[in-house]
Amino acid sequence: DGGITQSPKYLFRKEGQNVTLSCEQNLNHDAMYWYRQDPGQGLRLIYYSQIVNDFQKGDIAEGYSVSREKKESFPLTVTSAQKNPTAFYLCASSMRDRGLTEAFFGQGTRLTVV
Amino acid sequence: QKEVEQNSGPLSVPEGAIASLNCTYSDRVSQSFFWYRQYSGKSPELIMSIYSNGDKEDGRFTAQLNKASQYVSLLIRDSQPSDSATYLCAVYSGNTPLVFGKGTRLSVIA
Repeated sequence: DGGITQSPKYLFRKEGQNVTLSCEQNLNHDAMYWYRQDPGQGLRLIYYSQIVNDFQKGDIAEGYSVSREKKESFPLTVTSAQKNPTAFYLCASSMRDRGLTEAFFGQGTRLTVV
Repeated sequence: QKEVEQNSGPLSVPEGAIASLNCTYSDRVSQSFFWYRQYSGKSPELIMSIYSNGDKEDGRFTAQLNKASQYVSLLIRDSQPSDSATYLCAVYSGNTPLVFGKGTRLSVIA
């Protein structure tokens, strides 16, 4: 089955801890994205990557880091510098720059600070 | 800054009625327009794409695009309680990630 897999589904972080959210896709998509969603809010872009070994900051990149060593994988690290990390994190992917591209989402990771 | 605006709702319609969801966008060179449905606690699911002016129908869903007015809408005919969800409008402007509106919450009353 082709798709985007995020893990874990639920994640708990202690104060001062770094945590990494996994995102893997087997759709052969070039571009991958990380969004954050807070209750009652829309999607805010954290980071995105259009090709391997390259990524760009989105609107709210502070306190987050990413890597793109493989086309299939785009992990997101939430660092201790992110002061309010509790949110629903969504990974998405799309074909790159075909002019008409839509994005598909994984099932999300819900992160809670304890 | 590119913006996509939606009425947050909630929009309440009776079962069997037509639900009309609206979206405006700021970037005149936007090329592609998408509607996603998001159930509470779940991730967004793509339900409609539209690329040129006019109407596009898919089952009970119709997307309408008017680029001159920078306006895109989604009509849901014969609304069902299972259509109750938040509907996100997304806009693509070329070589940049999709820009999402904050979504409109739809409630279909049985």
